[in-house]
Amino acid sequence: AQKITQTQPGMFVQEKEAVTLDCTYDTSDPSYGLFWYKQPSSGEMIFLIYQGSYDQQNATEGRYSLNFQKARKSANLVISASQLGDSAMYFCAMRESNQAGTALIFGKGTTLSVSS
Amino acid sequence: KAGVTQTPRYLIKTRGQQVTLSCSPISGHRSVSWYQQTPGQGLQFLFEYFSETQRNKGNFPGRFSGRQFSNSRSEMNVSTLELGDSALYLCASSFSRSGFPGKETQYFGPGTRLLVL
Repeated sequence: AQKITQTQPGMFVQEKEAVTLDCTYDTSDPSYGLFWYKQPSSGEMIFLIYQGSYDQQNATEGRYSLNFQKARKSANLVISASQLGDSAMYFCAMRESNQAGTALIFGKGTTLSVSS
Repeated sequence: KAGVTQTPRYLIKTRGQQVTLSCSPISGHRSVSWYQQTPGQGLQFLFEYFSETQRNKGNFPGRFSGRQFSNSRSEMNVSTLELGDSALYLCASSFSRSGFPGKETQYFGPGTRLLVL
């Protein structure tokens, strides 16, 4: 079974609008971390935001926020006031505490297209 | 602070050849992880090195190997290349304090695009 599921292959949004990218995860580990990365066409993965399973509040980083619903095992990324430069592939990833090291499990990604 | 660097950026090889990719982590980072990204399989974890030791390994055949040097720089090698090895190979580094690495952020390099003909 997939550990990270991103059900939206592609999303389209107009500039200045907000957009939500979905991510659901599957784990029996009570301690885990969730990450979102952005991958422009150049290929480099850019870290956006982190949410820990025990964090009391939803994470926010500038225009990025995480809608973390632990009971539903979802960690949706919200991008407010979209910009043309936000057009990219977005990946949700997870790390469980019972694994060795810092390896991440990634979802298949969502392609976001922002138009003017 | 300089980011993660990977060399070469692009590579074309033929089946049966071998290839070595290099990764220099962010200064002070001790952990280096490698990922393979393909359109069909997405991002898959290859292996992680920490203090010159392989700490974790993904589900890849033995043709894929790696190592880490005392300065934390890492190399990965793929022997007997197959067409299916064509991919973007991403390297990521993290500081990796001792104990639970749950919150450790991995910072990625620009990747090496490998094409196997």
